Amino acid sequence: DAKTTQPPSMDCAEGRAANLPCNHSTISGNEYVYWYRQIHSQGPQYIIHGLKNNETNEMASLIITEDRKSSTLILPHATLRDTAVYYCIVRVTGSARQLTFGSGTQLTVLP
Amino acid sequence: GAVVSQHPSRVICKSGTSVKIECRSLDFQATTMFWYRQFPKKSLMLMATSNEGSKATYEQGVEKDKFLINHASLTLSTLTVTSAHPEDSSFYICSARGAGVGNTIYFGEGSWLTVV
Repeated sequence: DAKTTQPPSMDCAEGRAANLPCNHSTISGNEYVYWYRQIHSQGPQYIIHGLKNNETNEMASLIITEDRKSSTLILPHATLRDTAVYYCIVRVTGSARQLTFGSGTQLTVLP
Repeated sequence: GAVVSQHPSRVICKSGTSVKIECRSLDFQATTMFWYRQFPKKSLMLMATSNEGSKATYEQGVEKDKFLINHASLTLSTLTVTSAHPEDSSFYICSARGAGVGNTIYFGEGSWLTVV
């Protein structure tokens, strides 16, 4: 699976949009971009995934660049409960292989 | 999303004893389950992959005789830490993948193990 690069930490004001970047310049054509987050002392929570089109669900939006070498996870109105470590992972969907976690981005939402 | 449940969420055991952690997929059949270990302020490290009805595949450096994994049904996998030592104290997390949920992998809540 392709390697990803994320900033180690970011701050965001409560109520504002949080934009979390991820670089995956070696992504293959059949690899999806997955985002998970881990709130302190809990298991990771699935957020969203996409291949090349932008995706939106009730939690977030995922914007993938046209060349698919980078993506941005957008939390439109961040709350204090969104404070967590956010992981960007690329993976072939349908693969029986595990998710490989990098160090992620620690997002801190400030009141 | 799909629900994966772990039990117990916290357990304290004495050195030398064994402890079992259960991982259940509540609303889908998990063809593959994964067990991770996480130390404070560190990322998740894969310990093993288990497929229903077959032996688990362990990552390099993980002792298969110490960390026994059983995946006897499509909804249940267990991790047994045998002859536990204080250095086995950690956060253990399972995840599950099922064909019926778009192959997305879902995680349990995690289990804190403290060996005293």
